[in-house]
Amino acid sequence: EVQLEQSGAEVKKPGESLKISCRASGYSFSTHWIAWVRQMPGKGLEWMGMIFPGDSDTRYSPPFEGQVAMSAETSTATAHLHFSSLKAADTAMYYCARQGFGGNSIDYWGQGTLITVSS
Amino acid sequence: QSALTQPASVSGSPGQSITISCTGSSSDVGGYNLVSWYQQKPGKAPKLMIFEVTERPSGVSDRFSGSKSGNTASLTISGLQAEDEADYYCSSHVGDSIWVFGGGTKLTVL
Repeated sequence: EVQLEQSGAEVKKPGESLKISCRASGYSFSTHWIAWVRQMPGKGLEWMGMIFPGDSDTRYSPPFEGQVAMSAETSTATAHLHFSSLKAADTAMYYCARQGFGGNSIDYWGQGTLITVSS
Repeated sequence: QSALTQPASVSGSPGQSITISCTGSSSDVGGYNLVSWYQQKPGKAPKLMIFEVTERPSGVSDRFSGSKSGNTASLTISGLQAEDEADYYCSSHVGDSIWVFGGGTKLTVL
C-alpha cells in the first residue's frame, strides 16, 4: 500500500527556517516524482513544484522558485521542503504527493503539514 | 502560470447530473491531454477522481466522468449523491514539467 507520512504541525516566527518531511512507503521511492502542494487557509490548491528522488531533478512553479527548496533522501525514502526565512504569508497546509501514472497526475497524497507563522 | 478557471460553486439535487468546467488556454488544457480532477472534503487531503482527461483510477465510481473540448475540460457527476458534496479541483500540465490547479469549485448537494 502506497503511503506518504508527513511530519507534524509547526508553529514558527517570521524569519525562522524550517524543514518539513514526507516519508514514502509501499513503492519504489526513487522512480516517482514527489510534488508539493500549498493550500492557504480557506483557499485553493497551488502546485509548488516536484522532485525526482532518483537524481534530485527539481522543477519549481515560477511563483515558488527561490522561495522554497526541495530535496530527497533515497536512503530513507523521505522528501523534504525547506523554508529559509519564513513569512506570515507562508502560513498554510502543505501536502506532499506522488506524481504517478508516468508523472502525469498526482495519485497519492500525504495527510498534510500545517505551518503557522506568527510573531 | 495563471490558475485555471472554474466556477466558484455548483449545486444539484440527489439523482441529478452536474458538470464542472475548467477553462485554460492552448498552452495548458488545450495543449495536452493531461487534465486531472480532484475531490477534497473538509479537513482531508484531496483524492484523485480523473486523470488524463477521461481515465478513472481504480475504486472511483463510474458516476464520475471527464471530457475536454478545446481549452475547456469538464467533470460530470451523474446520479448525484450527498457524499459527493465537496470541493473539486482541476489540474493541467502547462509545459516544462510544470502543473497548475484550477481555483476550485464547491459542490453543494441540495
